[in-house]
Amino acid sequence: DAEITQSPRHKITETGRQVTLACHQTWNHNNMFWYRQDLGHGLRLIHYSYGVQDTNKGEVSDGYSVSRSNTEDLPLTLESAASSQTSVYFCASSESRASPLHFGNGTRLTVT
Amino acid sequence: QQQVKQSPQSLIVQKGGISIINCAYENTAFDYFPWYQQFPGKGPALLIAIRPDVSEKKEGRFTISFNKSAKQFSLHIMDSQPGDSATYFCASYKLTFGSGTQLTVLP
Repeated sequence: DAEITQSPRHKITETGRQVTLACHQTWNHNNMFWYRQDLGHGLRLIHYSYGVQDTNKGEVSDGYSVSRSNTEDLPLTLESAASSQTSVYFCASSESRASPLHFGNGTRLTVT
Repeated sequence: QQQVKQSPQSLIVQKGGISIINCAYENTAFDYFPWYQQFPGKGPALLIAIRPDVSEKKEGRFTISFNKSAKQFSLHIMDSQPGDSATYFCASYKLTFGSGTQLTVLP
């Protein structure tokens, strides 16, 4: 069965360090997304990609970057981790704009 | 830049009751209105979705009602069960999500 996998599931890092969260999907979807989930804020879009070499900023993109070198992967990089980036991060993919999002099970990131 | 307003923030319902969650959106350019269900420790999963050319869609105990003129859509859960206890999100233009509704169904 097709799936979307995030790694690691849990990560603790220190302020100022660079961190990369992995996202791999086997749906062969062109569209991929990164969200962060915080209590009271729901899911907020960080970055998204509509295909290889395409990346776009979302609502809360400051301090984050992504790159899309193939269809399957969209890694999320925190250039210099800050305590405000402590959150649960979800990756998702979809076939088209009006198709369901398929989510991974999330990465819980703690920045100390 | 909140494009989707969801209410209520939390909801407690007795088993067998009706749960109603509302979502108001701003941007009329979107053509797909989904509801997602999320259990603790898991990612959200699509529950039911509607397109604006219909006013209602029913799948089992779950119904979406869509009011295009009011720019609102709602989720109705009939005969609510303890297993329905989860967080529910609506989504709209550019896959903007509402802030979520934590539903608790009491046994």
